[in-house]
Amino acid sequence: EAGVVQSPRYKIIEKKQPVAFWCNPISGHNTLYWYRQNLGQGPELLIRYENEEAVDDSQLPKDRFSAERLKGVDSTLKIQPAELGDSAVYLCASSLERGAPSYEQYFGPGTRLTVT
Amino acid sequence: AQTVTQSQPEMSVQEAETVTLSCTYDTSESDYYLFWYKQPPSRQMILVIRQEAYKQQNATENRFSVNFQKAAKSFSLKISDSQLGDAAMYFCAYRSYNTDKLIFGTGTRLQVFP
Repeated sequence: EAGVVQSPRYKIIEKKQPVAFWCNPISGHNTLYWYRQNLGQGPELLIRYENEEAVDDSQLPKDRFSAERLKGVDSTLKIQPAELGDSAVYLCASSLERGAPSYEQYFGPGTRLTVT
Repeated sequence: AQTVTQSQPEMSVQEAETVTLSCTYDTSESDYYLFWYKQPPSRQMILVIRQEAYKQQNATENRFSVNFQKAAKSFSLKISDSQLGDAAMYFCAYRSYNTDKLIFGTGTRLQVFP
């Protein structure tokens, strides 16, 4: 079974440029998460989707970040314009539908973003 | 709000020895889950072990076991017979019973020496 796929793995951009990250979750997983992991820190949730619906985006900086999950499968996270402080690893994770008492989140390898 | 604290930025252990990683958390909830995740240098986070707060018995997965002290809000990970492949960042995480949101600690980098 294929795991969570993310691309690109690495991205270097200049500040004020746009950037997009793509995630393909594990087949059959209804719930998808985007996390940001700053250097030396644990991941922090940016947004969570249940199918196509964003059900928790309270930590997403909406002035410059946007996300979409068309058809409830793949998802894209965009930053426009990027700032120096956006340099981090962006992780995507997926899990089965809510309801299971002890479901597991499966993580992708992440995209390391460097903003210069 | 819930918080997770890992007070050991780095730990080291010799191969075949045992090491314990510490984690404390703060919550007012009675039902929740606790996790230990491993993140090797390739960055793909992998679940190591899970503990349900309502279970008194400590979880065990092969060489990995936890010491869950609910009253003390402590959740340590013990790795027995350490192997070179255990070298990674280890994150402790908390999840409320009725939400999907994981709250992570800052991680402990484990080095394993031959």
